[in-house]
Amino acid sequence: SQKIEQNSEALNIQEGKTATLTCNYTNYSPAYLQWYRQDPGRGPVFLLLIRENEKEKRKERLKVTFDTTLKQSLFHITASQPADSATYLCAQNSGGYQKVTFGTGTKLQVIP
Amino acid sequence: GAVVSQHPSWVICKSGTSVKIECRSLDFQATTMFWYRQFPKQSLMLMATSNEGSKATYEQGVEKDKFLINHASLTLSTLTVTSAHPEDSSFYICSANSGGESTDTQYFGPGTRLTVL
Repeated sequence: SQKIEQNSEALNIQEGKTATLTCNYTNYSPAYLQWYRQDPGRGPVFLLLIRENEKEKRKERLKVTFDTTLKQSLFHITASQPADSATYLCAQNSGGYQKVTFGTGTKLQVIP
Repeated sequence: GAVVSQHPSWVICKSGTSVKIECRSLDFQATTMFWYRQFPKQSLMLMATSNEGSKATYEQGVEKDKFLINHASLTLSTLTVTSAHPEDSSFYICSANSGGESTDTQYFGPGTRLTVL
């Protein structure tokens, strides 16, 4: 069955550096992948969506890539700040209109 | 725009009682809403798809008689946890799609923390 995995449970990075988070999927390429941010005790907040035919998408300090050969999406935060500390979730469409499946998330800690 | 609210934000109840959680889309209409459950340090698990005017579609392993979903209008879906037990304690989150240009993006509510004693 199709799976989506975020291999790093946690990532610590120094302020100002670029944080890179990884999302891998198995089997078939999803039509799109999404990245969300979740703070403790809060619902996820949508950040970026990248479609299968797009290699890269940017939004301010965020960048997402989609590599169908490696079956992987990378999420980058440049010039990271302590306020970027949160759990980041990737998600793929999983059949059915608007239905998505989430990865387990990577908890990012940006150290001042 | 695209704001989703949930009420209550937290609830504590006794074992055996029922709890209703509301999910509202505040500035858009949503024919479809989704209900998720999230246990500590785990990801969101889809429980069911709530369809306005029709029966909800439940994911495998989710008891439809225990988790009653009613999508009474285009802006409101409710999840009722019936005969709640301590193992139902979790963080329940709803989401909706606002349509328009971002038809593939879901907007999430702030979540409801349920604690069953």
